[in-house]
Amino acid sequence: DADVTQTPRNRITKTGKRIMLECSQTKGHDRMYWYRQDPGLGLRLIYYSFDVKDINKGEISDGYSVSRQAQAKFSLSLESAIPNQTALYFCATSDGGQGTDTQYFGPGTRLTVL
Amino acid sequence: QKEVEQDPGPLSVPEGAIVSLNCTYSNSAFQYFMWYRQYSRKGPELLMYTYSSGNKEDGRFTAQVDKSSKYISLFIRDSQPSDSATYLCAMGAGANNLFFGTGTRLTVIP
Repeated sequence: DADVTQTPRNRITKTGKRIMLECSQTKGHDRMYWYRQDPGLGLRLIYYSFDVKDINKGEISDGYSVSRQAQAKFSLSLESAIPNQTALYFCATSDGGQGTDTQYFGPGTRLTVL
Repeated sequence: QKEVEQDPGPLSVPEGAIVSLNCTYSNSAFQYFMWYRQYSRKGPELLMYTYSSGNKEDGRFTAQVDKSSKYISLFIRDSQPSDSATYLCAMGAGANNLFFGTGTRLTVIP
């Protein structure tokens, strides 16, 4: 079984709809992240959480919110989706130990906003 | 100026060639450096990890870090069609967040 799973894998929605993307992990890591990937722009950090009570904004948090329901679960919501939020979304985890921050990624969710 | 700069390519080489992928960075505080490989429609997977300066070798892959020049490289020897993917560099300082390059798309032609 995959260590980091994301649901759904693909989603098509309309402008103005509320969307939730979910991430679960079995790696036992405290840290979880949400990124979006766009051609030519690479991976950009949306939100991150270092533990269940800790939520931090990343580079591009506007229009997004998150919820850390448990150590293993981290959800990303688009409150009112817009077409420029069409992208590939990745969840990642890390243990943050020993001065490193090696991140392990899920398979991604391809979101299309019409 | 971006924290991390990476040539997006695309890069196309014949099978068996030596491939050189590179990134430059501006933050002298970066201490650990990684290369991720991303196949089409998949998530990035960690390929190489290096702490501070120097070289690290793993099979056909060699990661090189030159902190004085703020330049890192990934070399792939005897490239194979299965190496065709996008390669992303990533780097960070301490236990803080990683900064990623935009990725270089590599195609190895049989």
